[in-house]
Amino acid sequence: GAGVSQSPSNKVTEKGKDVELRCDPISGHTALYWYRQRLGQGLEFLIYFQGNSAPDKSGLPSDRFSAERTGESVSTLTIQRTQQEDSAVYLCASSLEARDTQYFGPGTRLTVL
Amino acid sequence: SQQGEEDPQALSIQEGENATMNCSYKTSINNLQWYRQNSGRGLVHLILIRSNEREKHSGRLRVTLDTSKKSSSLLITASRAADTASYFCATDASTNAGNNRKLIWGLGTSLAVNP
Repeated sequence: GAGVSQSPSNKVTEKGKDVELRCDPISGHTALYWYRQRLGQGLEFLIYFQGNSAPDKSGLPSDRFSAERTGESVSTLTIQRTQQEDSAVYLCASSLEARDTQYFGPGTRLTVL
Repeated sequence: SQQGEEDPQALSIQEGENATMNCSYKTSINNLQWYRQNSGRGLVHLILIRSNEREKHSGRLRVTLDTSKKSSSLLITASRAADTASYFCATDASTNAGNNRKLIWGLGTSLAVNP
């Protein structure tokens, strides 16, 4: 079946603009994760959704970052008033249940000029 | 903070040689997972080892887990140029009582296999 998809694959924006990144998880996966990865760095956890439970937002770096997920389907990560330090690859992953193997999308490379 | 710490940070070997990467962690875990990342994009799951397991094999991959030392190793035998990638370990330290069900990721080992 189809894997995790993300769009856009690349996004170039100007400082101060808002951006919205989309993730389509694997159908039936209840858990969905967003990560940020700066160039040459490891994964930085941002937010985690599990079914209808309240999301774990503990990794969001500032109130400019927010994410939503409708049920067990698509999720959007929104970054308001982008800054240059937001430039990174944003990765989405889903898993059947929490703690299971995570399946990653190809990521969105965000460049803030 | 990152719980998993891989070492070495970078490893360069010749094709055909074995590559060993290590991962250390701090708290008790339910399982430990290894992932590979090519070209800075999506990660691919390689192998999961549970806390009650000591060793697992998958093709040319061998993973060991020593819970007393809180460490794991990933061995790639007979390496190929296509194995060139970054390798990450991730630990599941969540509890049933808590809501903290996310994996904790290390910073990765960058492996270069030279033809």
